[in-house]
Amino acid sequence: AQRVTQPEKLLSVFKGAPVELKCNYSYSGSPELFWYVQYSRQRLQLLLRHISRESIKGFTADLNKGETSFHLKKPFAQEEDSAMYYCALTVDRGSTLGRLYFGRGTQLTVWP
Amino acid sequence: ETGVTQTPRHLVMGMTNKKSLKCEQHLGHNAMYWYKQSAKKPLELMFVYSLEERVENNSVPSRFSPECPNSSHLFLHLHTLQPEDSALYLCASSHDEVGYNEQFFGPGTRLTVL
Repeated sequence: AQRVTQPEKLLSVFKGAPVELKCNYSYSGSPELFWYVQYSRQRLQLLLRHISRESIKGFTADLNKGETSFHLKKPFAQEEDSAMYYCALTVDRGSTLGRLYFGRGTQLTVWP
Repeated sequence: ETGVTQTPRHLVMGMTNKKSLKCEQHLGHNAMYWYKQSAKKPLELMFVYSLEERVENNSVPSRFSPECPNSSHLFLHLHTLQPEDSALYLCASSHDEVGYNEQFFGPGTRLTVL
């Protein structure tokens, strides 16, 4: 079965420090991975997806199939990065019925 | 309002009540979703609708009954709920149900079952 693990429930760093939010997945095929973010009093929204190979708000994530990981990284954290981060996986079968499997989330706090 | 809206934002109900959650999307999307977010579990997919037809029912108890009258509206009818059903219920929509598409979430309805 597909599963997404975010081992850290809470993560705190100081402003300007590097940050890495860990995500590991279990799936024998080729998944597509996403990071969603929820800022305080805002709705859950997409941060970035593996398929786009993009950097959003200074965040990047590399899919490591050997380690089955999709860690989210930023070299210099900012206070506005404080939020709840969710890693998600989809195992799209053919052209239909892709569904998202979410991890439990990591609450990131960036101290001034 | 643009995006995905949900009403009510908060709901308290007894176990014998019948209530409904409403979701509306103004994005022209063809797929809509209900998720349950409880404190001790990851975000869980409950139902998927594509072009107003239910394409997935993720083993959800029958006390939750979804309805999708058109591609812009999604309801979750609640009947004889249990206290363990207390959670945040999130609605989302996407261009279609193919997993690579970004899902846009509503603000959620915080449900408390007494």
